[in-house]
Amino acid sequence: AQKITQTQPGMFVQEKEAVTLDCTYDTSDQSYGLFWYKQPSSGEMIFLIYQGSYDEQNATEGRYSLNFQKARKSANLVISASQLGDSAMYFCAILRTSYDKVIFGPGTSLSVIP
Amino acid sequence: KAGVTQTPRYLIKTRGQQVTLSCSPISGHRSVSWYQQTPGQGLQFLFEYFSETQRNKGNFPGRFSGRQFSNSRSEMNVSTLELGDSALYLCASSPSRQGNSPLHFGNGTRLTVT
Repeated sequence: AQKITQTQPGMFVQEKEAVTLDCTYDTSDQSYGLFWYKQPSSGEMIFLIYQGSYDEQNATEGRYSLNFQKARKSANLVISASQLGDSAMYFCAILRTSYDKVIFGPGTSLSVIP
Repeated sequence: KAGVTQTPRYLIKTRGQQVTLSCSPISGHRSVSWYQQTPGQGLQFLFEYFSETQRNKGNFPGRFSGRQFSNSRSEMNVSTLELGDSALYLCASSPSRQGNSPLHFGNGTRLTVT
């Protein structure tokens, strides 16, 4: 079975600072993908970044980067230079390459303080 | 390219009624998934359709059903509504069933059952 754990229900960060959102996962599969999504208060889910289990380099997309530690089964999202618009819920998700279904973690609520 | 479109955005129904939600995926996307999001249970997978076939189903009662049409548009139906069915229902599409294909979500349909 797959499971995603996000241990930080709520986080605060000062504007322009960096923040790390934690994600650990539990899977027996060797091949899988990890995703991060952002959900503002309006409700839409916005895809941020993807990391494949066999990718040797950590994924980077603009101000988002993923600190992937396969042996520890962690895929932490790092947001650099936080902006007020980054205030939202952030979800970590896992998908097996054989495509079963995408499993989401409980989410972390991020608030950016001016 | 237009995003995933879900209609309607908001619905208010009475217990015992049934409801049909609609989802138009991004053009060219053949996989459509449905999720239920509630404050208590988070994001839960309902089902996934690919090429008009249900490929996977979550742990929901038979009152929840869906289908996909030849143009990849999908509908979800909930019969005999219960108060606990009040939730945000999210539809997501992806171009294929490959493990590195992120889900692209619509804005959701917020269902309130009274």
